[in-house]
Amino acid sequence: DAGITQSPRHKVTETGTPVTLRCHQTENHRYMYWYRQDPGHGLRLIHYSYGVKDTDKGEVSDGYSVSRSKTEDFLLTLESATSSQTSVYFCAISLRDRDTEAFFGQGTRLTVV
Amino acid sequence: AQKITQTQPGMFVQEKEAVTLDCTYDTSDQSYGLFWYKQPSSGEMIFLIYQGSYDEQNATEGRYSLNFQKARKSANLVISASQLGDSAMYFCAMREAVTQGGSEKLVFGKGTKLTVNP
Repeated sequence: DAGITQSPRHKVTETGTPVTLRCHQTENHRYMYWYRQDPGHGLRLIHYSYGVKDTDKGEVSDGYSVSRSKTEDFLLTLESATSSQTSVYFCAISLRDRDTEAFFGQGTRLTVV
Repeated sequence: AQKITQTQPGMFVQEKEAVTLDCTYDTSDQSYGLFWYKQPSSGEMIFLIYQGSYDEQNATEGRYSLNFQKARKSANLVISASQLGDSAMYFCAMREAVTQGGSEKLVFGKGTKLTVNP
């Protein structure tokens, strides 16, 4: 199994509070991604990183920020959580080569009440 | 615009029969990769098969094959001899370059829920 860990695995938080989700890898992969999964929408890309301090927005980045200060960690922050951000969040990692698959974390179930 | 389109929200197949899950994609890049993932009810994402845009042969992995039609921009997954354990969500994904020599991103379709009936 690829060495990728998401924390926490489950979280319930109140509307308006900041939340940070962590993705940690031990594979030294260059690319890291954050997705959210909602019924009927599949996996939607929030933000991704192609190196330390190199990040870019995905298709649903509003309300989210990310940071990558080390190769192994990619943090996703909800500055002020809203109920629409209730979702399952997945982190993924991959090498640069286009023909290698991405490996996924186990997911974080976030509920904003 | 949707980059990956999976037009079948749900599919049903009888055990031991073959099933095709559709995927079309949209890109102007010449070099890209296409992937299929399986997500069982337990939630983990399982990589199934990969097809590169320059690969002339269709990819195969055991009971999985990818019917790649580049001109039509389609990358359908074919599962032969379906098993009950194949019941899951299936996602098509594409990896493409965002900038020259820079970043790449991996985008997914909305998925197809496959149910295998005994």
